[in-house]
Amino acid sequence: GAGVSQSPSNKVTEKGKDVELRCDPISGHTALYWYRQSLGQGLEFLIYFQGNSAPDKSGLPSDRFSAERTGGSVSTLTIQRTQQEDSAVYLCASSLARGPYEQYFGPGTRLTVT
Amino acid sequence: GESVGLHLPTLSVQEGDNSIINCAYSNSASDYFIWYKQESGKGPQFIIDIRSNMDKRQGQRVTVLLNKTVKHLSLQIAATQPGDSAVYFCAENLKTGANNLFFGTGTRLTVIP
Repeated sequence: GAGVSQSPSNKVTEKGKDVELRCDPISGHTALYWYRQSLGQGLEFLIYFQGNSAPDKSGLPSDRFSAERTGGSVSTLTIQRTQQEDSAVYLCASSLARGPYEQYFGPGTRLTVT
Repeated sequence: GESVGLHLPTLSVQEGDNSIINCAYSNSASDYFIWYKQESGKGPQFIIDIRSNMDKRQGQRVTVLLNKTVKHLSLQIAATQPGDSAVYFCAENLKTGANNLFFGTGTRLTVIP
């Protein structure tokens, strides 16, 4: 079956512009996660969706970051008024329901803010 | 902040030798631990996981050991191959039953042919 997919694979934007990053989780996975990975660094947790529950937003670095998950499937991470420090790879993962279980990662979106 | 850390940022091993990658954690409430492998330009790939009610788990060529007394996690790779060269991350869930993971900074494993 298909794995986690993300789009676009690369995004270059100018400082101050808004960007939207998309994640399609594995079918049947009700948990969805967003992480950020700066160059040569580990993964930083951003936000977590589980079914219809309120998302865990505790990792979002500022109010410029937000995420939605429509219909319990596709998710969009939005960064408003992008800054150069937002440049990173944004990774999405999904997993089975109540766990914890292993998370399956997508290939990521490389965001560059110029 | 993250409580997961690694003793060695880089590790070089000869092809065919065994590799051991270590990880320290400080949160005794964590009950789920996992190792990922990340190759350049790719997302992390699941290797093996372990729950806190176990102290050892084996997979294909890999073994994870959990020592809750000293809050230590290790990944052992048997007969290391060039394809094992990557960055390895450990992660924990920080809270009993929690799904979201918190990652360490990673160890780069280089296999010398």
